[in-house]
Amino acid sequence: DAGITQSPRHKVTETGTPVTLRCHQTENHRYMYWYRQDPGHGLRLIHYSYGVKDTDKGEVSDGYSVSRSKTEDFLLTLESATSSQTSVYFCAIGTADKNIQYFGAGTRLSVL
Amino acid sequence: RKEVEQDPGPFNVPEGATVAFNCTYSNSASQSFFWYRQDCRKEPKLLMSVYSSGNEDGRFTAQLNRASQYISLLIRDSKLSDSATYLCVVIPIKAAGNKLTFGGGTRVLVKP
Repeated sequence: DAGITQSPRHKVTETGTPVTLRCHQTENHRYMYWYRQDPGHGLRLIHYSYGVKDTDKGEVSDGYSVSRSKTEDFLLTLESATSSQTSVYFCAIGTADKNIQYFGAGTRLSVL
Repeated sequence: RKEVEQDPGPFNVPEGATVAFNCTYSNSASQSFFWYRQDCRKEPKLLMSVYSSGNEDGRFTAQLNRASQYISLLIRDSKLSDSATYLCVVIPIKAAGNKLTFGGGTRVLVKP
């Protein structure tokens, strides 16, 4: 299995609180991605990174920010969580020469 | 219209039977295609790439029909362990950041 660790694996929080999810890789891959998965919508890209300090928006980036200060870590922050951000969040990594992505085990986030 | 569309199913399949399902895509410039598998409450994992000439991996056969803009997955001699959601993935030519576009998934239930 690809060396990807997501933390926390489960989190329950209240509306309006900040939340940070962490993705850590040991593969030294250039690309890292954050997705959310919801019934009826499938996997949707939130943000991605193509290098340290290089990030870009995906299709559902509103309400989320990311940071990548080291190759191995990609953080997803919900500045002020809303109930619509209740979801399963997956991190993925990929290389520059291949289109294959490897996923972490996911974080189940509930915003009450 | 969604970029990538799949019949959500479920496809209820007797053990040992053959099942096939398609995935349609709207961007004719798409160049790379994959099938991922996702078990319940788990992360997606690459099942197989889809090549223009079609390809086979054991009991799994993937085909690409560029004229009609769809890919297909056929599973022969279904096993109980094949029960999962199968995600179609499409990548347009020169997609920035190697971004993947996922279909909503087709659920397959193999029953004894």
